Amino acid sequence: DIQMTQSPSTLSASVGDTVTIACRASQSLGSWLAWYQQKPGKAPELLIYKASTLESGVPSRFSGSGSGTEFTLTITSLQPDDFATYYCQQYNIYSSFGQGTRLEIK
Amino acid sequence: QVQLQESGPGLVKPSETLSLTCSVSGGSVTSDNFHWSWIRQPPGKGLEWIGSISYSGTTNYNPSLKSRVTISPDTSKNRFSLKLHSVTAADTALYYCAREGYGDSRGAFDIWGQGTMVTVSS
Repeated sequence: DIQMTQSPSTLSASVGDTVTIACRASQSLGSWLAWYQQKPGKAPELLIYKASTLESGVPSRFSGSGSGTEFTLTITSLQPDDFATYYCQQYNIYSSFGQGTRLEIK
Repeated sequence: QVQLQESGPGLVKPSETLSLTCSVSGGSVTSDNFHWSWIRQPPGKGLEWIGSISYSGTTNYNPSLKSRVTISPDTSKNRFSLKLHSVTAADTALYYCAREGYGDSRGAFDIWGQGTMVTVSS
């Protein structure tokens, strides 16, 4: 099984800040990694796939980078609507998710 | 606009079988080259992929659940189902069905149902 580890688990930031969430895989994924945003009581929403491709309709302040085992999600100029939990997901071998990063208002 | 809707019992007894259905509207489970998955989320915890079925009926399962899981299509009603056998309290979760994208997003879940809560308790 491929293990996915996100850091940090919780991140405190203010509106207008730029934040970065890291995701590490236990083995190489190539670029087969996606990022999701989940708000309380809602299903996750796809933000980025293939490590850096923005899903249609997702604001350009979201960006992804990385390959192999190290990946990052960056959100620039945080908006109030961005405070949520973020998950990375590998889809190189079957599928598995990171444990999540909760982005909270400072 | 493809939409997914999960349905099934909200309460299952330990050792019994959990059965859920995902109804697909605005698209077909057997066409368009899409794959369809089940994902679950225990209360207050993260996401766990359970398994998937392709448009042609090929299945893949999470190795940690494979011995207990069956995903099957119901093409006449444009839906697919999940059966999880021999459940325990650890199977209590919010269960989502989701569609995988295609091409470079094959494996990423671009459309999700709203989820259905299943509690395992006697």
